[in-house]
Amino acid sequence: GDSVTQMEGPVTLSEEAFLTINCTYTATGYPSLFWYVQYPGEGLQLLLKATKADDKGSNKGFEATYRKETTSFHLEKGSVQVSDSAVYFCALKKGAQKLVFGQGTRLTINP
Amino acid sequence: GAVVSQHPSWVICKSGTSVKIECRSLDFQATTMFWYRQFPKQSLMLMATSNEGSKATYEQGVEKDKFLINHASLTLSTLTVTSAHPEDSSFYICSGTGAMGFLGSEQFFGPGTRLTVL
Repeated sequence: GDSVTQMEGPVTLSEEAFLTINCTYTATGYPSLFWYVQYPGEGLQLLLKATKADDKGSNKGFEATYRKETTSFHLEKGSVQVSDSAVYFCALKKGAQKLVFGQGTRLTINP
Repeated sequence: GAVVSQHPSWVICKSGTSVKIECRSLDFQATTMFWYRQFPKQSLMLMATSNEGSKATYEQGVEKDKFLINHASLTLSTLTVTSAHPEDSSFYICSGTGAMGFLGSEQFFGPGTRLTVL
């Protein structure tokens, strides 16, 4: 079946560092890809998404590009802030089917 | 984005008792609600999907008689864990979507409920 694999956390960085969280997927067909973020004590929020190959999703300084050739959707940010500390989930979805999540990556940014 | 709340956020119960978790969409009508379960350091696993006024559709391997889901209104869904046992201890998360064309098909997630069964 379809699956999503994220880099294992936790990830700890200093403020203003460059962030990459790797995400690869296995799926038949043409899924849409998502990054969700969960801040402490809150529900998951959609951070960005891409619906077809070579699409780039972006939001709040974060970016991810849908790479079909490498089946990847890595999350990047050029300069992280303490407020970016959260758990990040990569996910895929095909049409009306259910969301399939990766295991989540906890990110901690130190001042 | 739209807001979903869950109550309680944390519950401890004795083995053999039942626990009800509420999920409410606060500022939109959730025609479809989803219930997920998350184990430590693991991904969210979909348990069931429910449409308002209909019986829930359970994922393979989820016991429908143990995890009772009710979606009686467009703003409230409940998950009741019946005769809970320690292996049911987990983090339960709900989400909701509005009618197609309204808010798109994006799912809006609640903050989760941590259940600990002693």
